Amino acid sequence: QVQLVESGGVLVKPGGSLRLSCAASGFTFSNYYMSWIRQAPGKGLEWLSYIDSTGASKKYADSVQGRFSISRDNAQMSLYLQMNSLRVEDTAVYFCARHWGGYSAYEPFDYWGQGTLVPVSS
Amino acid sequence: AIQLTQSPSSLYASVGDRVTITCRASQGISDSLAWYQQDPGKPPKLLISDASNLQSGVPSRFGGSGSGTDFTLTISSLQPEDFVNYYCQQFNSFPVTFGGGTKVENK
Repeated sequence: QVQLVESGGVLVKPGGSLRLSCAASGFTFSNYYMSWIRQAPGKGLEWLSYIDSTGASKKYADSVQGRFSISRDNAQMSLYLQMNSLRVEDTAVYFCARHWGGYSAYEPFDYWGQGTLVPVSS
Repeated sequence: AIQLTQSPSSLYASVGDRVTITCRASQGISDSLAWYQQDPGKPPKLLISDASNLQSGVPSRFGGSGSGTDFTLTISSLQPEDFVNYYCQQFNSFPVTFGGGTKVENK
C-alpha cells in the first residue's frame, strides 16, 4: 500500500535551517509529482511547493520562495524540503503529499504522510 | 492567488442529519475542486475530486457538485465518524489554495 513517512521535524531557532525528508513506498515514486503542504497549529492548510516526477520542474508559494527548496531522489524514493531562514510563523506540521494520477501538478492530493512538526522558537 | 471562501466555518448537527458545506472561488476554476476530510491530528483524506467524483472507498453518503465558482459538499446522513473538519481545495492554478475549513460538531 502507498505510504509516505515524513521525518526531520525538530525545534529550531528563528533564522535556523532544517531539512525534512519524506520516504515513499508502495508505488512507483518516480512517476509522480509530489508536494509539501503545511498546517500551523489549529489553522488551515497551506501548499508550499511541488516538484515534477524527474525533479526538473519546481514551484513555490510566495511565502517560502527563496527560503525553501524542494528536491527528490528517485533512486531512494525520497522527497526533501530544505528550509532556511526559518521564522516563528513557519511553525507548523509539514506534510508531503502525492499528486493524483502522477502526470500533472494540476491534480488533487490523493495520499498524504502523517506529518512532522516543526516548531520555530527562541 | 485564487481565494476559496468556505461556509459555514462551523456547524452543529446530529447523526442522521443532511449537511451542506459550500465553497466559493474568487474566480472561475471549472471543476478543478477537491474536498478533504481531516480528523484532528491526522492528515487530510481526499473525498471528492473534480468537484463531484467520489474517491474509491468513500461512502456514498458524501456527494459534491458545482462548477465555475460555486461548489457544494453534501453529507446525506451524518454518521458519528463524520464529526470532523472539511476543506475544499482548488487545483486549477498555482498556488493551489484551500478553503478555511468547516468544523462539523455534534449538536
